[in-house]
Amino acid sequence: GENVEQHPSTLSVQEGDSAVIKCTYSDSASNYFPWYKQELGKRPQLIIDIRSNVGEKKDQRIAVTLNKTAKHFSLHITETQPEDSAVYFCAASSNDYKLSFGAGTTVTVRA
Amino acid sequence: GAVVSQHPSRVICKSGTSVKIECRSLDFQATTMFWYRQFPKQSLMLMATSNEGSKATYEQGVEKDKFLINHASLTLSTLTVTSAHPEDSSFYICSASGSGGTDTQYFGPGTRLTVL
Repeated sequence: GENVEQHPSTLSVQEGDSAVIKCTYSDSASNYFPWYKQELGKRPQLIIDIRSNVGEKKDQRIAVTLNKTAKHFSLHITETQPEDSAVYFCAASSNDYKLSFGAGTTVTVRA
Repeated sequence: GAVVSQHPSRVICKSGTSVKIECRSLDFQATTMFWYRQFPKQSLMLMATSNEGSKATYEQGVEKDKFLINHASLTLSTLTVTSAHPEDSSFYICSASGSGGTDTQYFGPGTRLTVL
């Protein structure tokens, strides 16, 4: 099955700086890579996703890059704000639509 | 956007009892629903995939006789934890994806189960 690894496990950044989270996957058949933000006790919320026919996608302060050859993808958050503090999960799926999640990254934005 | 609800949001029960959790897609028809379990400070672990009108498929290590899943309509799936024990205490989250097969999953708000 798919194995998704995520780094770092924790990330502390100064407000206004950028945050980068990296994930690798094992299954070359994976073709969908979403990123979720989860606040304590709440549901995971989809913040951005990318499919395997695209190398980069951007939505305001959030961007995701995908390197299919190397089987890794990254989340970039620019101009971080305190409300960006949360746990972020990467995930991967193939044609069976089952998501395999990374272990999560706890992001803390210091004011 | 697509809205998924879950009920109840919290439940406390005695060991040995059964608990039913409902997952509903409110504004779209969900061909497929997924059930996850999340322990504190851990990631989401897929338990089973539920397709409307057919039997659920369970991930390795998940007991199908303990975690009963029913997906009777395109907007409702239920998870019943039978004979619950303290080690079943966890955050249970469902997700739903739209008709016709799609990879985007929308998550419910989760159910916090505490078994005494």
